[in-house]
Amino acid sequence: EAGVAQSPRYKIIEKRQSVAFWCNPISGHATLYWYQQILGQGPKLLIQFQNNGVVDDSQLPKDRFSAERLKGVDSTLKIQPAKLEDSAVYLCASSLDRGRSTDTQYFGPGTRLTVL
Amino acid sequence: AQSVTQPDIHITVSEGASLELRCNYSYGATPYLFWYVQSPGQGLQLLLKYFSGDTLVQGIKGFEAEFKRSQSSFNLRKPSVHWSDAAEYFCAVASYNTDKLIFGTGTRLQVFP
Repeated sequence: EAGVAQSPRYKIIEKRQSVAFWCNPISGHATLYWYQQILGQGPKLLIQFQNNGVVDDSQLPKDRFSAERLKGVDSTLKIQPAKLEDSAVYLCASSLDRGRSTDTQYFGPGTRLTVL
Repeated sequence: AQSVTQPDIHITVSEGASLELRCNYSYGATPYLFWYVQSPGQGLQLLLKYFSGDTLVQGIKGFEAEFKRSQSSFNLRKPSVHWSDAAEYFCAVASYNTDKLIFGTGTRLQVFP
C-alpha cells in the first residue's frame, strides 16, 4: 500500500514569508498528525485530526500556524509569517483508527523548512 | 508530566557487534513505549512497541527491547548490527489517557565496516 505522501520535500523561504505543506495520509486512515522536528530534537506534536475534526492542537502556535483537513483526507499546514525558529522538518503521520496511543502511526518523509 | 530521556546522543559500533540503545522514561502509571528508526531522508518507522504483558518485545529488523519497571527503562538491543542499521533511533512514551506520543531526543547510530 502507498505510504504517507508529503510535499514539498524541501523549502527555503525568508522570514516573514508564508509557506504551506501538504500531506496525503494512507488511504482509509482516520487520524492525521503534524509534527515539528527541530534539529537535534525528537518530533513534537503540533496538531492531531480525527477525520476532519481537531482532536489536539494544544502545541500549535496559533498566531502563525494553521492547519486544515478538508473532507477528512488531505491536510495542509501553513505558517504565516515564518520566523527563523520555524526552521525544522515537518512530519505528517496517519493512523488507522481513533488515534489512540496504541495505534501505530505511519510517518511520511517530511518537509525540511529553512527560514533565512 | 511524561518525559523520555535518551542519554546517548551518538553511538558508534562495528558491523557485527552487539548494540544497546538506552531509554529512560518518566511516567506515573504503566506507560506505552515505542522505538522508532529514522533513516536519512526517510520518515520514522516503528520498530517495536510495548503495552503490557511479556516485558521482552521483539520487533522488526532483528531488534528487541526490554521493559524494566524498576529502572524505568526500555532499552533497545540487537545482537549483531548491520551497516544498514545506521540511522537515528527515537524512543517514545504515551499513555492511555493522553494518546500523545512524547519522543526522546534521539540517538544517532553510526556503523563502521
